[in-house]
Amino acid sequence: KAGVTQTPRYLIKTRGQQVTLSCSPISGHRSVSWYQQTPGQGLQFLFEYFSETQRNKGNFPGRFSGRQFSNSRSEMNVSTLELGDSALYLCASSSGQGFTDTQYFGPGTRLTVL
Amino acid sequence: AQSVSQHNHHVILSEAASLELGCNYSYGGTVNLFWYVQYPGQHLQLLLKYFSGDPLVKGIKGFEAEFIKSKFSFNLRKPSVQWSDTAEYFCAVITPTGGGNKLTFGTGTQLKVEL
Repeated sequence: KAGVTQTPRYLIKTRGQQVTLSCSPISGHRSVSWYQQTPGQGLQFLFEYFSETQRNKGNFPGRFSGRQFSNSRSEMNVSTLELGDSALYLCASSSGQGFTDTQYFGPGTRLTVL
Repeated sequence: AQSVSQHNHHVILSEAASLELGCNYSYGGTVNLFWYVQYPGQHLQLLLKYFSGDPLVKGIKGFEAEFIKSKFSFNLRKPSVQWSDTAEYFCAVITPTGGGNKLTFGTGTQLKVEL
């Protein structure tokens, strides 16, 4: 079974731009969660989508948004990029909603904001 | 705010030594606890989880963790580490947020096992 895939793997943007990251879950998984990983703040939860609806949300500003499609693929968008948005963005998929089912993580997208 | 603390940021052990990584959480409600591991060059993966029942939980690769409610702790243990256990280990807990629930991670412990 193919794992979680994320595209692109690397991105370089400048301040003020926007960016869209993509995540394809494991086949049959309906939940996709997004995380930001930085050396200073560690791993932080952004949001979770299940069956095309945002079910859980972390404490990030409204510049961070996401959506999920009918095939469970998910996108995350960050508008008006700031230097502090430079991070590794991870997505994880699981079969059920919430975090009690095992989450399978992707390799991440490394975003650098200049 | 709910948090997860991992007091050991870097641990160096020799092969065959015993391992105990500390994890303390501050959430006072019903807890669901996890340990995740990230091996060099690999994706983050689940080691073990605790939801209820026996407070001693066994995971993959010989790891186990003990939930001690009175101490708000969920320490990870392995009796005898191997070089291949070199990795970063993260403790996590499900906590409520204004927008539902979230998975809160500790800052991680980098374990290096020397031959």
